[in-house]
Amino acid sequence: AQSVTQLDSQVPVFEEAPVELRCNYSSSVSVYLFWYVQYPNQGLQLLLKYLSGSTLVKGINGFEAEFNKSQTSFHLRKPSVHISDTAEYFCAVRKGGGNKLTFGTGTQLKVEL
Amino acid sequence: EAGVAQSPRYKIIEKRQSVAFWCNPISGHATLYWYQQILGQGPKLLIQFQNNGVVDDSQLPKDRFSAERLKGVDSTLKIQPAKLEDSAVYLCASSTLRSREGVNEQFFGPGTRLTVL
Repeated sequence: AQSVTQLDSQVPVFEEAPVELRCNYSSSVSVYLFWYVQYPNQGLQLLLKYLSGSTLVKGINGFEAEFNKSQTSFHLRKPSVHISDTAEYFCAVRKGGGNKLTFGTGTQLKVEL
Repeated sequence: EAGVAQSPRYKIIEKRQSVAFWCNPISGHATLYWYQQILGQGPKLLIQFQNNGVVDDSQLPKDRFSAERLKGVDSTLKIQPAKLEDSAVYLCASSTLRSREGVNEQFFGPGTRLTVL
């Protein structure tokens, strides 16, 4: 079975600073990887996904993530954050050929002035 | 295009009472999912429907939880009787049956926040 680890439960950062949210996964088979964002009192919205091909994936709102197979990581980055990026971010893994998403515990990103 | 609709948005009940949540997926989406998101945790899949059939309900506590999607469109999730540990946000998501990439994006509703006292 696959699992996802998000080591940082909270990440405070100042506006316009860069940020990295860490995600590590474990799986014995090929997987698809996702990052979702959840704004307060809203559902999850897909930020980006890795299916195959280029290991650097670009998503919405200026976010990008890099798939590293040897380190089983899929860290999310943004070079310059905005106040509106304050939200909870979830990393998720899906086994190739399946539909089931397994989510990490989430990272609360708090952008301060 | 209208998104996934859920109601109610908030519900407060006492333990041992029953409660029901409703979800209307995006039009044309054959697959519907119910997730439970406990505070401080990621969403956990409870049940997945494809049209009106159950694909995966391995993590649904069947002694108290039930779900149906009778006509293959909207769905209802019920808890009877509720326990304190059922306090969570219940998320509904939907996806198409197939996509060009072979990976169907799940679109999430706003969720129903349940508090059991």
